[in-house]
Amino acid sequence: DAMVIQNPRYQVTQFGKPVTLSCSQTLNHNVMYWYQQKSSQAPKLLFHYYDKDFNNEADTPDNFQSRRPNTSFCFLDIRSPGLGDAAMYLCATSRPGLREKLFFGSGTQLSVL
Amino acid sequence: QKEVEQNSGPLSVPEGAIASLNCTYSDRGSQSFFWYRQYSGKSPELIMFIYSNGDKEDGRFTAQLNKASQYVSLLIRDSQPSDSATYLCAVIGSSTLGRLYFGRGTQLTVWP
Repeated sequence: DAMVIQNPRYQVTQFGKPVTLSCSQTLNHNVMYWYQQKSSQAPKLLFHYYDKDFNNEADTPDNFQSRRPNTSFCFLDIRSPGLGDAAMYLCATSRPGLREKLFFGSGTQLSVL
Repeated sequence: QKEVEQNSGPLSVPEGAIASLNCTYSDRGSQSFFWYRQYSGKSPELIMFIYSNGDKEDGRFTAQLNKASQYVSLLIRDSQPSDSATYLCAVIGSSTLGRLYFGRGTQLTVWP
C-alpha cells in the first residue's frame, strides 16, 4: 500500500506553460518536503512544510511555489517552466524531529519541451 | 544548502566482495546520518541510519560514523549484483530542524 503518492509519474509540459505536481500521504505526518533531482545529481531540497508553516530554501527559484491545503496533500507549482527545470521531483514526509526518517513517494519525472 | 560530499564513482566490485562507500559533511553540528539506495529512475530508499560515533550493523550493511572527522561510511559485505545502485549519503544538521541534505551519491556496480 503506497503511503506517499505522487501523480502523475511522468509529466510533459511546454516551455513556459504552468504545471502542477501533486503529492498525497496516508501517514498523517506533519512535515512534507519537495526535492528536485536532476540526472546524476543530489536531490536538492526546494521547500518543506511543518504543518502549515512554509519554509523556502534560500536558493529555490521564484518560479517554484507550493501549496499545502491540508495535512494529506501538497502541490508543487512551476509557474513558467524552463528547459533547466526538467528533473525528477520527489515528495517526502516525516514526523518532526532531528532523527525522523523520510518516506519518499515514487517521484514525478518532468520533461519540458 | 549544507555540503555533503561523496565520491561519485563509479565503484565496481566483484560479487561477494566488500563495497566501501564514503561521505564527508561540512556542518560540524550535524546530528543524524542516513544512507539511501536509489535504483535508476526510482525514488531513494532508506537502508541505514546512524546517530552515534562508532559502527552500526544491519545484516550485510555496516554504517560507520566519526563526528570528529566529519566522516560517515557504508560497508556492504558479500556484495550482490542486486546491490548495484546509487548510494546517497544524507545528513540532518543541528540547525536544520529535520531538513535532510543529500550528497550526489556513489554509483556502485557489483559484477557477477
